[in-house]
Amino acid sequence: DQQVKQNSPSLSVQEGRISILNCDYTNSMFDYFLWYKKYPAEGPTFLISISSIKDKNEDGRFTVFLNKSAKHLSLHIVPSQPGDSAVYFCAASAAGNQFYFGTGTSLTVIP
Amino acid sequence: ETGVTQTPRHLVMGMTNKKSLKCEQHLGHNAMYWYKQSAKKPLELMFVYSLEERVENNSVPSRFSPECPNSSHLFLHLHTLQPEDSALYLCASSRDYTELPTQYFGPGTRLTVL
Repeated sequence: DQQVKQNSPSLSVQEGRISILNCDYTNSMFDYFLWYKKYPAEGPTFLISISSIKDKNEDGRFTVFLNKSAKHLSLHIVPSQPGDSAVYFCAASAAGNQFYFGTGTSLTVIP
Repeated sequence: ETGVTQTPRHLVMGMTNKKSLKCEQHLGHNAMYWYKQSAKKPLELMFVYSLEERVENNSVPSRFSPECPNSSHLFLHLHTLQPEDSALYLCASSRDYTELPTQYFGPGTRLTVL
């Protein structure tokens, strides 16, 4: 049973607009969350993280929001750029143990 | 060369072959991981090594055999694989295993089993 779910396999957004990628999880013990970005033929690269003691973490154009009661996190990219086109994975961990990954969302930013 | 490297990048093998995947990290990390990514499935953790000792083995079939000769190198030995083992195999490393780690991934080996 998947503990981390990304229900949208793909998303298309116009350049300059906001991209919102969503992730849901089932394990209430998860306390650390990450987003990874993956280009074709490359491994995932770390993008941004958030601890369960926070509900928001911002890094430049990227902001991650965590809603613990809904077991939901989202990644906002503003403004979206064509170079942001990639597959985005969310991952979650409980107490520093194994990370569980979602299936990824493929983002296409249209120039 | 920096980061995490994996060789080969692509591998096609028959079910009776024996092959090995190699991973090398140049980051001075103490933990290394093997993941499997099948189509439309999440990344699945296969093995974890911390300071060259295996700390996790997530019910992986014995036809996959990991080896960590030192903290910079990780191998995945393959023998008598099945077509359903065709996937992208990703290696990752992190500074430590016990702390909340940011994992750095290699580019992966695309494996096809005929």
